[in-house]
Amino acid sequence: DQQVKQNSPSLSVQEGRISILNCDYTNSMFDYFLWYKKYPAEGPTFLISISSIKDKNEDGRFTVFLNKSAKHLSLHIVPSQPGDSAVYFCAASADQAGTALIFGKGTTLSVSS
Amino acid sequence: EPEVTQTPSHQVTQMGQEVILRCVPISNHLYFYWYRQILGQKVEFLVSFYNNEISEKSEIFDDQFSVERPDGSNFTLKIRSTKLEDSAMYFCASTGDRGNTIYFGEGSWLTVV
Repeated sequence: DQQVKQNSPSLSVQEGRISILNCDYTNSMFDYFLWYKKYPAEGPTFLISISSIKDKNEDGRFTVFLNKSAKHLSLHIVPSQPGDSAVYFCAASADQAGTALIFGKGTTLSVSS
Repeated sequence: EPEVTQTPSHQVTQMGQEVILRCVPISNHLYFYWYRQILGQKVEFLVSFYNNEISEKSEIFDDQFSVERPDGSNFTLKIRSTKLEDSAMYFCASTGDRGNTIYFGEGSWLTVV
């Protein structure tokens, strides 16, 4: 039972263009969403988050959009850089302190120069 | 910047042996977690720990697993009798009282042979 789904296992983008990573969720109790970036043999690194009271959160080149009615969120990276090449995990939790994160399977982003 | 540290970075063990993975969470954090990632699969939640007891655990966290906070700084995951399918990267994570952003360590590679 996948509560958090990342249906695209991989995405290839040219440097300077926009990368859009998508995530869908099924559990209506989720109301806090995070994106993590992960390099091989390293732990996930927190990138950006969004609470359900917002529909957009921006941090530099990274913007996360949330569509609660569609149970969908996306991460936009613009402009994409080769150093952005990594696996991106979408994660969700219910808005309680300490609640475990549920992760999607990840999308491997490759940014070519 | 404070970080979650894990030891060992890599351990090879024989099937049936006990393994202890160690973690030092970020010092003012109160919630602690173990996650794992089997090669090529998604990051999976194992267990969360708060106020010296397990607050949540997944189906994966069966009787062969245990967690402990023995001395107020370390947080350990013990696997009593390892199986081949326990081979994975194990991530420790922690979060503060009210925040939901979970910060991960670099991971411990466990290889069971």
